[in-house]
Amino acid sequence: DSGVTQTPKHLITATGQRVTLRCSPRSGDLSVYWYQQSLDQGLQFLIQYYNGEERAKGNILERFSAQQFPDLHSELNLSSLELGDSALYFCASSDHDRTTSYEQYFGPGTRLTVT
Amino acid sequence: AQSVTQPDIHITVSEGASLELRCNYSYGATPYLFWYVQSPGQGLQLLLKYFSGDTLVQGIKGFEAEFKRSQSSFNLRKPSVHWSDAAEYFCAVDSGGGADGLTFGKGTHLIIQP
Repeated sequence: DSGVTQTPKHLITATGQRVTLRCSPRSGDLSVYWYQQSLDQGLQFLIQYYNGEERAKGNILERFSAQQFPDLHSELNLSSLELGDSALYFCASSDHDRTTSYEQYFGPGTRLTVT
Repeated sequence: AQSVTQPDIHITVSEGASLELRCNYSYGATPYLFWYVQSPGQGLQLLLKYFSGDTLVQGIKGFEAEFKRSQSSFNLRKPSVHWSDAAEYFCAVDSGGGADGLTFGKGTHLIIQP
């Protein structure tokens, strides 16, 4: 158990809909990352938040957005869903202190199926 | 931009045999390198990491990896595999201490034959 929790575990929705995925980082971790894992694209970095502020963007679509709240949990919002958005979405967290062993701890993921 | 190549999509190894999974990265400086394992239906678990210093790093579950700057490689090894090692293995690079997230290879699917 990495200490990172994600809800829901599974999500099935229709095209055009909007969903919200939730992530709670490990206790004390200020950085949260979102990744998408799909068969054709593999594992791709979407976005990073650090202590409530957006820190880095990867291959995140404009239809997707995220935020990190004062209690450090994060939400990934996916809108106008398309069939191609079906994937496993991972959240990871890390210790913000780069002088220690910097590594990311992954949650169990949310499997999104768009029908 | 950095990239990671795992040239082997599938590898089949007999139980008890040794294992080497290949990983090559493309990056100008010395990156932070990681190996993660993903069992079916599970998240990613960190096996080991390299930041600096000794180029041979030890990880969990009996895995080790060697960083070779001249070959831009970070291959994962295990002297004797167990059936429970069957999983997907991902090599990843972080070039900016989290500035851009991790860049992953496509993964290597490890099959263990009895």
